[in-house]
Amino acid sequence: EVQLVESGGGLVQSGGSLRLSCAGSGFTFSSHWMSWVRQAPGKGLEWVANINRDGSVKRYGDPVKGRFTISRDNAKNSLSLQLDSLRVEDTAVYYCARVPASDSWFDYWGQGSPVSVSS
Amino acid sequence: DIQLTQSPFTLSASVGDRVTITCRASQNVNSWLAWYQQKGGRPPKPLIYKASNLQSGVPSRFSASGSGTEFTLTISSLQPDDFATYYCQHSNSYPITFGQGTRLEIK
Repeated sequence: EVQLVESGGGLVQSGGSLRLSCAGSGFTFSSHWMSWVRQAPGKGLEWVANINRDGSVKRYGDPVKGRFTISRDNAKNSLSLQLDSLRVEDTAVYYCARVPASDSWFDYWGQGSPVSVSS
Repeated sequence: DIQLTQSPFTLSASVGDRVTITCRASQNVNSWLAWYQQKGGRPPKPLIYKASNLQSGVPSRFSASGSGTEFTLTISSLQPDDFATYYCQHSNSYPITFGQGTRLEIK
């Protein structure tokens, strides 16, 4: 069974940093692009970042470019998101998601890790 | 960036109804469009990929069609479990974007 389990969320002050992690199991982690998607309270879904299978290609949404860094450790079946220079508007639930082999949609999602940024 | 606009924002319907949600893209996304269902506090559940392909395990009352800039998601006979928020998402180019969501509520 495919499982994605996020951790690392919490409360942080504006300007601070946080690191989210996502542990994958039940599939060959290194065979899939992986993503982060977030959802602010009461709002819709917003794509944050993608990373390719070996970590050499990374793509970011404009709101987080230059502040967030996606990375992965295939030996540990782990995906990470480093959140720096956090802003109040980064407050959201952050989901780790798997990209299937053929396309950049998201076929499995974690339960989400909440991040709250205070002013 | 490609904008996705869903209509309606909210849809009131009854069990057994046939409903359709539309997703319009500001530019051609070919068939690189997916649909998700989300219920409060839970992660999105994928329903449809590549415009019209039913994800494994999704009931056959869900169907979708479209290409280019106009897409539809149809539920043929609403069940109580279907009342949720639905999102479309394109993957034609970066940045990936989602529609704003359509809330399907019980009439």
